[in-house]
Amino acid sequence: DTAVSQTPKYLVTQMGNDKSIKCEQNLGHDTMYWYKQDSKKFLKIMFSYNNKELIINETVPNRFSPKSPDKAHLNLHINSLELGDSAVYFCASIQRGTGELFFGEGSRLTVL
Amino acid sequence: SQQGEEDPQALSIQEGENATMNCSYKTSINNLQWYRQNSGRGLVHLILIRSNEREKHSGRLRVTLDTSKKSSSLLITASRAADTASYFCATDAWNAGKSTFGDGTTLTVKP
Repeated sequence: DTAVSQTPKYLVTQMGNDKSIKCEQNLGHDTMYWYKQDSKKFLKIMFSYNNKELIINETVPNRFSPKSPDKAHLNLHINSLELGDSAVYFCASIQRGTGELFFGEGSRLTVL
Repeated sequence: SQQGEEDPQALSIQEGENATMNCSYKTSINNLQWYRQNSGRGLVHLILIRSNEREKHSGRLRVTLDTSKKSSSLLITASRAADTASYFCATDAWNAGKSTFGDGTTLTVKP
């Protein structure tokens, strides 16, 4: 069973479009994250949700809107896509106590 | 800028050799973790070391932590071609509620 799964794995779209990435974890963790990894492999946190509540928003443009319908799901919607949004987006959840992060396989977004 | 900086950025060695990667960070931390990322995949947790620990082992991995220098190192002994990947350190600052990742070291192990 996949612990953290995100879909789709690849998105190719035109500038100005809107796209969504879905994430689900079956680990029973309370806290989930979205990270963005750029072409140089820099990994930067975007958002964190704890039990459906937003707790971290790292000055991400408001074109990015996360949504957590329940603590097992954290989706990311991006409006009016720009070239600079091209990256790999990773969903992760954290194990309380150890602080170990469990990552999804990533969603590679290419904006043309 | 990233909390952690790693060096070298890239490392290429022969199978059987040891690989050492270093991570430096800027603020006080609760713990430090190392992750591995194979090409095109997500990050996988390798090892965690707490701020009151100085050294930790897990199989062929050895991690050290020097809080006075704000630095950590990851040693992979007897490397294998399958160890080829990017390796990241991640720090958990007190009450930050998040892990901040270093820039990563890309390791290539030649068979």
